[in-house]
Amino acid sequence: ELKVEQNPLFLSMQEGKNYTIYCNYSTTSDRLYWYRQDPGKSLESLFVLLSNGAVKQEGRLMASLDTKARLSTLHITAAVHDLSATYFCAQDGATNKLIFGTGTLLAVQP
Amino acid sequence: EPEVTQTPSHQVTQMGQEVILRCVPISNHLYFYWYRQILGQKVEFLVSFYNNEISEKSEIFDDQFSVERPDGSNFTLKIRSTKLEDSAMYFCASRDRVNIQYFGAGTRLSVL
Repeated sequence: ELKVEQNPLFLSMQEGKNYTIYCNYSTTSDRLYWYRQDPGKSLESLFVLLSNGAVKQEGRLMASLDTKARLSTLHITAAVHDLSATYFCAQDGATNKLIFGTGTLLAVQP
Repeated sequence: EPEVTQTPSHQVTQMGQEVILRCVPISNHLYFYWYRQILGQKVEFLVSFYNNEISEKSEIFDDQFSVERPDGSNFTLKIRSTKLEDSAMYFCASRDRVNIQYFGAGTRLSVL
């Protein structure tokens, strides 16, 4: 059974601080996706990681992939309030359906 | 920028009624999906669709559910006899050639 697990489930952080969200997956497929969801809104694609050691950065967010450890991380640098959202990692199985993690609700406090 | 559009944004229905949720995928995409998200929970795969047929479906996608691409643009999800537990946000997605899935804004289904 495909499993994708995220931690933490909830993250409250102050503006200016750094933190990391972790995503562990169980399958051998090594395509890993990060999405952002604002309350009541759709899922916005942030990153696609396709190979071991892949690192992608956009603004204050950086995602990386370690296929040997079956681990992806989403690192937040110097958080700002606008980053408050729920972040999901997801992996696609052989048929390209996305299996989502539980999500991490990020609340950045001023 | 092309986007996936879904209608309606909110659907309220009585238990036992049929509902049809509509989606217009991005025009040059070939793979289409439905997912659902129960309030406060993670996003769950329902069904994938390619070349006018279902390519995979989850355990959730039982006989009450069906999908259709009635013309060249629309992609619909029908629930024949809604149950209270069908209340959720339903997302349509379409996939590009590099396997990124783009999601619509969702339809919030409320079954009373």
